[in-house]
Amino acid sequence: DAKTTQPTSMDCAEGRAANLPCNHSTISGNEYVYWYRQIHSQGPQYIIHGLKNNETNEMASLIITEDRKSSTLILPHATLRDTAVYYCIVSAFLGAGSYQLTFGKGTKLSVIP
Amino acid sequence: EAEVAQSPRYKITEKSQAVAFWCDPISGHATLYWYRQILGQGPELLVQFQDESVVDDSQLPKDRFSAERLKGVDSTLKIQPAELGDSAMYLCASSLDGGAGGETQYFGPGTRLLVL
Repeated sequence: DAKTTQPTSMDCAEGRAANLPCNHSTISGNEYVYWYRQIHSQGPQYIIHGLKNNETNEMASLIITEDRKSSTLILPHATLRDTAVYYCIVSAFLGAGSYQLTFGKGTKLSVIP
Repeated sequence: EAEVAQSPRYKITEKSQAVAFWCDPISGHATLYWYRQILGQGPELLVQFQDESVVDDSQLPKDRFSAERLKGVDSTLKIQPAELGDSAMYLCASSLDGGAGGETQYFGPGTRLLVL
């Protein structure tokens, strides 16, 4: 299954855009890129996912490079409540109609007042 | 908004005791997942169900862990006997159809287990 590489930690000023990078150079054509975040002691929260095209929802934007080897999650106006661990995940297709998510250690984003 | 329910939220037990966790997925979700998350690490998949059938339990320590989803709705994860190294957060997630690419998994709040 494709592995992802993320920075261990990042800081962002409150009100500014937070840009979280992720490398997934071994991604296969049928594998999706997912982003989740986890606020301390809570369950992971789904943010966004995509296959090839850029995606946007009410929480964030996902920019995937044309070769699909990397992506960036953008939080347009970071608030203190966005402080969390952000996980970039490539869904693994295991055959027999099964997709799975393999979490790494993620990026610890700290939003600074 | 529908959510995945888990209970209990916290559990303290002594080693060698039995412990059980319960999960109720979002209504209509066919696929249910149990994850374990050790402090400082990302969640690790233990078992995946499609309806009442196990799709993957390759990472489940079967000598002490068991999981069931008898009617294809709610699920129970059991540990017997518990060991000190089982202290972790146990997370349940569900999706409409885990066999379809692009499906979203929704997570519950988790059960935090402490084994003394």
